[in-house]
Amino acid sequence: DQQVKQNSPSLSVQEGRISILNCDYTNSMFDYFLWYKKYPAEGPTFLISISSIKDKNEDGRFTVFLNKSAKHLSLHIVPSQPGDSAVYFCAASKGNSGYALNFGKGTSLLVTP
Amino acid sequence: EPEVTQTPSHQVTQMGQEVILRCVPISNHLYFYWYRQILGQKVEFLVSFYNNEISEKSEIFDDQFSVERPDGSNFTLKIRSTKLEDSAMYFCASSGTGADTEAFFGQGTRLTVV
Repeated sequence: DQQVKQNSPSLSVQEGRISILNCDYTNSMFDYFLWYKKYPAEGPTFLISISSIKDKNEDGRFTVFLNKSAKHLSLHIVPSQPGDSAVYFCAASKGNSGYALNFGKGTSLLVTP
Repeated sequence: EPEVTQTPSHQVTQMGQEVILRCVPISNHLYFYWYRQILGQKVEFLVSFYNNEISEKSEIFDDQFSVERPDGSNFTLKIRSTKLEDSAMYFCASSGTGADTEAFFGQGTRLTVV
């Protein structure tokens, strides 16, 4: 069953603009949320995370927003750069360490010059 | 920067054969994981390992799978009798405690069962 959903399989954005990637989850036990970036033939690379006690976390060009009541989170990348082109996975877990990550199917982001 | 390393990068095996996938987690991490990604599908959790025992496993992790930490550095996934549907990318990951709790992934082993 799909507990973490990324409903947009792909997204195309112009360089310099904002990229917004969305993620929804169904399990109210999830307490910790992460975004990973993945290039072909490589493992997922951790980008940014957020605990359920927060609604926003920022790290440089990357900001994650969490709306717990809507069970929705989003990743904002601003400004977008061509090197950001990759597949982005949303993941959720029941704690911040030692717990299984439940992944979405990913959104392929293409940033065009 | 410390990283999780996996060997081999690609393994081809015949159906019914046993395979062992190897991983060296980040040295001060305490939690170890295996995930897999079948082509075109999402990354799926298999198993987590802490303090020399399995802490959590998914429905996928049935009796044909086992994990081991044979020494202080390696973490292995064994598939006893491979099936065609075991063909996938297998990712090892590790995580720590305190400020270093995110799971860091290796580059993966592509397993092809023929």
